[in-house]
This record gives sequence, structure tokens and C-alpha cells, in this order.
Amino acid sequence: GAGVSQTPSNKVTEKGKYVELRCDPISGHTALYWYRQSLGQGPEFLIYFQGTGAADDSGLPNDRFFAVRPEGSVSTLKIQRTERGDSAVYLCASSLTAGITGELFFGEGSRLTVL
Amino acid sequence: DQQVKQNSPSLSVQEGRISILNCDYTNSMFDYFLWYKKYPAEGPTFLISISSIKDKNEDGRFTVFLNKSAKHLSLHIVPSQPGDSAVYFCAAYFSGGYNKLIFGAGTRLAVHP
Repeated sequence: GAGVSQTPSNKVTEKGKYVELRCDPISGHTALYWYRQSLGQGPEFLIYFQGTGAADDSGLPNDRFFAVRPEGSVSTLKIQRTERGDSAVYLCASSLTAGITGELFFGEGSRLTVL
Repeated sequence: DQQVKQNSPSLSVQEGRISILNCDYTNSMFDYFLWYKKYPAEGPTFLISISSIKDKNEDGRFTVFLNKSAKHLSLHIVPSQPGDSAVYFCAAYFSGGYNKLIFGAGTRLAVHP
């Protein structure tokens, strides 16, 4: 497809379980971002990749959260020992480069519910 | 510490009238500002942006105004249409960085006939 693709669109899991969320960016986009949006809030930055490397992971809330982008394209956000507070919509975005326009292209998000 | 604030969670406007959405920021290092629009079950989509060297940017029915001294920006939609009903997010960043956008909490706009 032409846009950013995220799977699954919805994930319900139990407290303590492991979860993986996948993002397939727009082809050719070198920059990839993960954001988290809680109810009633704006998107909150988690991590930024330029190519394969995480250039900034300062937004990851704790060491239960980890993200990879091994081939510089698809990225996976991994959450260990999920907690109810992890429930949110996880948004992935990509951009052609880390340029100055600031325009990020977002996917539809993965809604995570931790019971 | 909320660096970008949208103090109005919702706004209701009649079709054909002007919609004004406001945003305040606290960090004077921000030098680029954007507005994103979000429909339910979709990701945010870019709407319009403005650099801190300007005080106004216009694109069709959408105009963004920036008041650096007040650390305030606003989005004007004229005339408002029912299809404009969505959540609008204000975002800011440092242009010397890498698109690490800081978002406000959003304002839900409802345009009614």
C-alpha cells in the first residue's frame, strides 16, 4: 500500500503478557517514529529511527519497552510484562528524511488493551 | 511538563462560520509548528505548518497565525464545513533536530449545519 501500515489494528492481552506491534513505513522513508496516544491526550513520542539505528529512544517509558528496525524498513515495538497502564493507541509514522518540514505520515495505529 | 497546550478540549461552530483553534507553547526553542487533523480510527494527517520566521501561513480555507512574543498560535478555518469535524492537534519542534514533534492534547471541532 501507499501509506504507513500497522498491525494488528487491535490487540487485547492480559496483564503480564508479551506484545509485539508491527509498522511497515512508506517505501523509501528512512525516518520512522513510534508515538503513544492515551485517551484524551495527544500523541506522545516514544522512539525515533534513522535507518536501522534508534537515534533517540528517550520517550520509552521504561525497560519493558523495546523497538527494532533491523533492515531499515519494518519496525517492531515490543512490550514485555504488559501492565494496564500500557493500554493506548500506538502510532507509527514515517518521513522521507529527518528534514525540516516536520511532516510525518502516520498509520492508523494499533489499539492495545491490557486487561 | 506540558510544553504544548490546547486549553479548549472541544469547539462547536456553525457551518459557514469561522473556526478558531488555539495553541500555546512554553519552550522558546521551538521554531516550527504544525497542525494535524485526526478522524476517528485514522492516524493524524498533516494540515498546515508555519516557521517561526513567519507570522502567518495560508492554505486555502486554513490559515495559521503565530505570535512568538505570546508563544501562541491559532488555526483559522473559513468557511467551516461539516467535513472539517475532527480532532485538531497542534505540534511543535526544534528545526535543528529530527522531527521529534511535541503534541498538544487536541481540540475536537464539531461543525454543524
